[in-house]
Amino acid sequence: AQTVTQSQPEMSVQEAETVTLSCTYDTSESDYYLFWYKQPPSRQMILVIRQEAYKQQNATENRFSVNFQKAAKSFSLKISDSQLGDAAMYFCAYRSANSGYALNFGKGTSLLVTP
Amino acid sequence: DAGVIQSPRHEVTEMGQEVTLRCKPISGHDYLFWYRQTMMRGLELLIYFNNNVPIDDSGMPEDRFSAKMPNASFSTLKIQPSEPRDSAVYFCASSLWSGSNQPQHFGDGTRLSIL
Repeated sequence: AQTVTQSQPEMSVQEAETVTLSCTYDTSESDYYLFWYKQPPSRQMILVIRQEAYKQQNATENRFSVNFQKAAKSFSLKISDSQLGDAAMYFCAYRSANSGYALNFGKGTSLLVTP
Repeated sequence: DAGVIQSPRHEVTEMGQEVTLRCKPISGHDYLFWYRQTMMRGLELLIYFNNNVPIDDSGMPEDRFSAKMPNASFSTLKIQPSEPRDSAVYFCASSLWSGSNQPQHFGDGTRLSIL
């Protein structure tokens, strides 16, 4: 099974600053999808951004962008102009394109945003 | 559009009782997933369905757990008999055909406490 590793249990950022959350994964597949989900205290799981492995261009969604390094099996999330509402648990997830369609999640990174 | 609907939002019951968690996926979605979230193990897949048929139940912890999807708009996860170690947040998620990059959409989860 593919393993997803988030090495930062907690991160802190000041409002309006930029923060990067790390994610690495282990796979022998060449075709897959990667996702970042946000879980605020309300415990909803909210999709932040997604990336197809076959695309070289990094995905962006407003203030959120990724740095996808396929050879290094790295998929970091950058949050620009951080806002208080960004405070949440962030989960990186992997999904195979060919075998099994469930998400494999990392353990999560807790992001604190300070005024 | 209505999202994935789970009920109940909270459930507190005594050990040995039967627990039934319910899920209504997004209309038109043909994949349905049940996940469990605990502090120790994070988010883990229990089972998923495609067109109402169970595809992978390898994550179901033991025979006390069962899941059904009698039609495209309803699924249940049942625990009988329940034990304190079953206490967790249980999420249901649905998605369109997974051959694309379609993400999984999550319900708000059911927080289950077994006393």
